[in-house]
Amino acid sequence: NAGVMQNPRHLVRRRGQEARLRCSPMKGHSHVYWYRQLPEEGLKFMVYLQKENIIDESGMPKERFSAEFPKEGPSILRIQQVVRGDSAAYFCASSPGMDTQYFGPGTRLTVL
Amino acid sequence: EDQVTQSPEALRLQEGESSSLNCSYTVSGLRGLFWYRQDPGKGPEFLFTLYSAGEEKEKERLKATLTKKESFLHITAPKPEDSATYLCAVQANAGNNRKLIWGLGTSLAVNP
Repeated sequence: NAGVMQNPRHLVRRRGQEARLRCSPMKGHSHVYWYRQLPEEGLKFMVYLQKENIIDESGMPKERFSAEFPKEGPSILRIQQVVRGDSAAYFCASSPGMDTQYFGPGTRLTVL
Repeated sequence: EDQVTQSPEALRLQEGESSSLNCSYTVSGLRGLFWYRQDPGKGPEFLFTLYSAGEEKEKERLKATLTKKESFLHITAPKPEDSATYLCAVQANAGNNRKLIWGLGTSLAVNP
């Protein structure tokens, strides 16, 4: 059973460009979570999704950030008009329900 | 406000020298407390989930315990391969809440 998959593993964008981060949950998992990790700040929750629904987006910045988990295909975290402060490691996790979250390897975003 | 504090920030042990890591938490009703291990450049790797005070779980050289205010991760006779950052997180028991609130971690180095 493959684990949580994320791609790309590394992404470089210039200020003002868009970043798209993809996450494929573990087989049988219908719950997806996105977290951001900054040095010295630890992991911060961003959003919780189930298929076609956003359940909790209380950690998402109000502007430029959006997330989706369509009926078919991976979950997407989209960052529009990136700024240097968006540089971070973005982790996706999945769970089968009210259970332990299993994490992917992360996408390291660098904004030049 | 839900909060997690881990201590010490960093710990250096000799191989075979047992020790404990601390995770203190405040949460408005605990659904679960989670321990993860994170290696550099990788995603968090699940270790344990604890649900109620008095609960203990064990895996190889690691043992996690839980009280109403804190959790300990005991490491018995550690080996160099146990070197990693150990992360603690809590999940509050509130409706559809699934987000994990994280501590900053304890960076463990085990010298041969």
